[in-house]
Amino acid sequence: SQTIHQWPATLVQPVGSPLSLECTVEGTSNPNLYWYRQAAGRGLQLLFYSVGIGQISSEVPQNLSASRPQDRQFILSSKKLLLSDSGFYLCAWKVAGADTQYFGPGTRLTVL
Amino acid sequence: EDQVTQSPEALRLQEGESSSLNCSYTVSGLRGLFWYRQDPGKGPEFLFTLYSAGEEKEKERLKATLTKKESFLHITAPKPEDSATYLCAVRNDYKLSFGAGTTVTVRA
Repeated sequence: SQTIHQWPATLVQPVGSPLSLECTVEGTSNPNLYWYRQAAGRGLQLLFYSVGIGQISSEVPQNLSASRPQDRQFILSSKKLLLSDSGFYLCAWKVAGADTQYFGPGTRLTVL
Repeated sequence: EDQVTQSPEALRLQEGESSSLNCSYTVSGLRGLFWYRQDPGKGPEFLFTLYSAGEEKEKERLKATLTKKESFLHITAPKPEDSATYLCAVRNDYKLSFGAGTTVTVRA
C-alpha cells in the first residue's frame, strides 16, 4: 500500500531564516505531487505541483520554491522566511491520470 | 475562477442528532467533487468523490449527495468520533479548489 511521509512535523523558525520541508511517497511510481498551505479558518491553498522529476508548476508567486529531485520526493524551500509564511503545510499525491489526492500528515510551521 | 463555499462554519450536535453540511460551488467544467475529513493537527482524509448530479455515496454514518450547484454531506445519528472538520473540494482540470470547511462537534 502507499504511504506518504512529511517531516519535520513541527518547526519554529525566525524571520529571515531558510526553510526546507520534505515529503516522500512510498509504494507507487511517478506520482503527481502537490504542496498546499492551510491557514486557520481558510481553505487549502495550492502552492506547487509536479507531474515528474524536475517538473514544477507554481500556483502562487511568493518567496517559496519547490523541487523534485527524485521520483517520490518533493521538497518545499525558502531562502528567507516571512511572518506570513506561518501555517500548516500539506503534501499530497495522486496516481497520474486518477482523480483522488491523498494527503500527508502535515508540517506546522511557525515563523517568529 | 472556481469558488467553493461551505456552510455552516461550525456545527454542534448532540450524539444521535442527524444533520447536513452544505457545499455550494461554481466551477467551469466539474471533474469531480471531493469530501475529506480532517482531524485537528492532521492531514485531510479522503471520504468520497462525486461526479454527476444525482450521484450518492455512503460510508458508515456519512452520505454525500450532489446536485448541479451544491453537495450535501449528511451525518446520520452521529457519534463523538465523528467530530472533525469536513472539507469539500472541486476539481477543474489538474487543480482542486477547497472550501474553508465545516467544523462538526458531537457531544455525548
